[in-house]
Amino acid sequence: DAGITQSPRHKVTETGTPVTLRCHQTENHRYMYWYRQDPGHGLRLIHYSYGVKDTDKGEVSDGYSVSRSKTEDFLLTLESATSSQTSVYFCAISLEAVSGELFFGEGSRLTVL
Amino acid sequence: GENVEQHPSTLSVQEGDSAVIKCTYSDSASNYFPWYKQELGKGPQLIIDIRSNVGEKKDQRIAVTLNKTAKHFSLHITETQPEDSAVYFCAASRTTDSWGKLQFGAGTQVVVTP
Repeated sequence: DAGITQSPRHKVTETGTPVTLRCHQTENHRYMYWYRQDPGHGLRLIHYSYGVKDTDKGEVSDGYSVSRSKTEDFLLTLESATSSQTSVYFCAISLEAVSGELFFGEGSRLTVL
Repeated sequence: GENVEQHPSTLSVQEGDSAVIKCTYSDSASNYFPWYKQELGKGPQLIIDIRSNVGEKKDQRIAVTLNKTAKHFSLHITETQPEDSAVYFCAASRTTDSWGKLQFGAGTQVVVTP
């Protein structure tokens, strides 16, 4: 157990509303990631962070922003949700200098109506 | 950028038989190839990985092979059991400059029937 908690686990919202997903980790890992999972696409990287206030874009970052003001929290924000952002979102951490293994949270299922 | 293709998308096997999932990648600089297993309602979990300086790796009933020349790698599960039923993802990355930034295949739904 890598001590990753995602919240909320399920959310239904309407097009145009802002949404924030939270990833919380308890073990002070430096590297954190947000992936989205969609049928036929596997998992795709949205944004990642290599430390406090150190974030960068992944493959599918359009429409998303992130913030990391504390080591333990990595927030993913959809400023104005669209139906194409309906997905399951996974937060992950990696143990730097140990292996390339990612430890994933349990996921947050977001439905945008 | 890297592109990973995974086949088949679904695989049904009888308990006790073997299962093979194949992936190809496009970036010759990729040097790390993990396989993840995802059970229903959970996040993916690493089951085995291989680095580009190794051709094969085994861990009990699972093994991964890598052919760098052909740019493909495969997951082999022997003596399948019902608990092997899950979605399996292959992935590729360059650990030199893309730590943790994995490019995933689309996934294979494996169903093991008793």
